[in-house]
Amino acid sequence: ETGVTQTPRHLVMGMTNKKSLKCEQHLGHNAMYWYKQSAKKPLELMFVYSLEERVENNSVPSRFSPECPNSSHLFLHLHTLQPEDSALYLCASSQDLGTRKSYEQYFGPGTRLTVT
Amino acid sequence: EDQVTQSPEALRLQEGESSSLNCSYTVSGLRGLFWYRQDPGKGPEFLFTLYSAGEEKEKERLKATLTKKESFLHITAPKPEDSATYLCAVQAYGGATNKLIFGTGTLLAVQP
Repeated sequence: ETGVTQTPRHLVMGMTNKKSLKCEQHLGHNAMYWYKQSAKKPLELMFVYSLEERVENNSVPSRFSPECPNSSHLFLHLHTLQPEDSALYLCASSQDLGTRKSYEQYFGPGTRLTVT
Repeated sequence: EDQVTQSPEALRLQEGESSSLNCSYTVSGLRGLFWYRQDPGKGPEFLFTLYSAGEEKEKERLKATLTKKESFLHITAPKPEDSATYLCAVQAYGGATNKLIFGTGTLLAVQP
């Protein structure tokens, strides 16, 4: 595997279900991100991890719970979601959060989530 | 508030018809401006990073330029395979994280 991978690619869940999204990066990066992409809206940053420590939580509802066990893996645990949470969830990774240099982020293919 | 606006929302070109996409930004201090390409059902694919006004970068038929207020993505003699949504994003100084602020994108369709 190369780049950033995400599983599953598609997920349909009911509002009472619990599921998890998985992301793995094979680029040697040490920062990872979760984004939400809804139709006609800009990508919204949800969570940022650097060196496995959460450094930003962008006011995301508690029904979304991230986990970063190591610098290569990132999870997004989902529970009691709402239909408006249906969207494409994208994982990304980058080099360390430098204070001077700006590093590009590399994205996975995303998980298309539908909440019924 | 940091903000990115892309125009037009959609653009239809004939194959070989050159054009430009615009990304206007308002940011407290620009660390970097990024261009991505996104195909339907896929994640964004990194194209370019620009750091300072006057900088230019090229890749095949694409050329990105940067001023203090906006960036342009010039597409020269496009082909149908250039059809995609092009996203612009900025990163500002002052934050503790590598936060990217995205525009809503320009949907480009190139017809043969």
